[in-house]
Amino acid sequence: GAGVSQSPSNKVTEKGKDVELRCDPISGHTALYWYRQSLGQGLEFLIYFQGNSAPDKSGLPSDRFSAERTGGSVSTLTIQRTQQEDSAVYLCASQLADEQFFGPGTRLTVL
Amino acid sequence: AQSVAQPEDQVNVAEGNPLTVKCTYSVSGNPYLFWYVQYPNRGLQFLLKYITGDNLVKGSYGFEAEFNKSQTSFHLKKPSALVSDSALYFCAVRDRRGTSYGKLTFGQGTILTVHP
Repeated sequence: GAGVSQSPSNKVTEKGKDVELRCDPISGHTALYWYRQSLGQGLEFLIYFQGNSAPDKSGLPSDRFSAERTGGSVSTLTIQRTQQEDSAVYLCASQLADEQFFGPGTRLTVL
Repeated sequence: AQSVAQPEDQVNVAEGNPLTVKCTYSVSGNPYLFWYVQYPNRGLQFLLKYITGDNLVKGSYGFEAEFNKSQTSFHLKKPSALVSDSALYFCAVRDRRGTSYGKLTFGQGTILTVHP
């Protein structure tokens, strides 16, 4: 069956531009997570959506980062005024029961 | 706050030999523990988990892990390594308190290289 998909797979942008990263979770999974993987910081939690509850935004590194999840399905992570330190692989995961299923990630490069 | 430590950045083993990738954790309550593997330019793939029950957990591709509460460890093992096991391995923990949902805290990862 279809897994978690993310788009784009690669994104190159200039410093100061805004970017949107998309995640399509596995159908029926109620929980959705965003993580960031970078050389210096490893895998970091960013934000978590669970059903209709208020999202856990405790991992967002600054107010330039925001995320939405529309209709309990697709999620978009938006980074405003990108900085070079935002360069990383952004991973999305959806969960049912105990296990999180990860997408292939979006590699973001900020020049 | 929960945390995970993978003390070895790299592990090198010969094909056919047993392998161990170490992981220790710190969490307030009882833990959910996970191992994930990441191949180059791929997302994380689930290997195995410990939720409750037997301390020895068996997972995908012949991997297993042993939960040791007294040592707060969850080492990943395989009796006979394959070259194709070469990848980046992550240990992760989630606090068991509350629901079964919640953020994972990952270790820094261990690069496993299996030599022919």
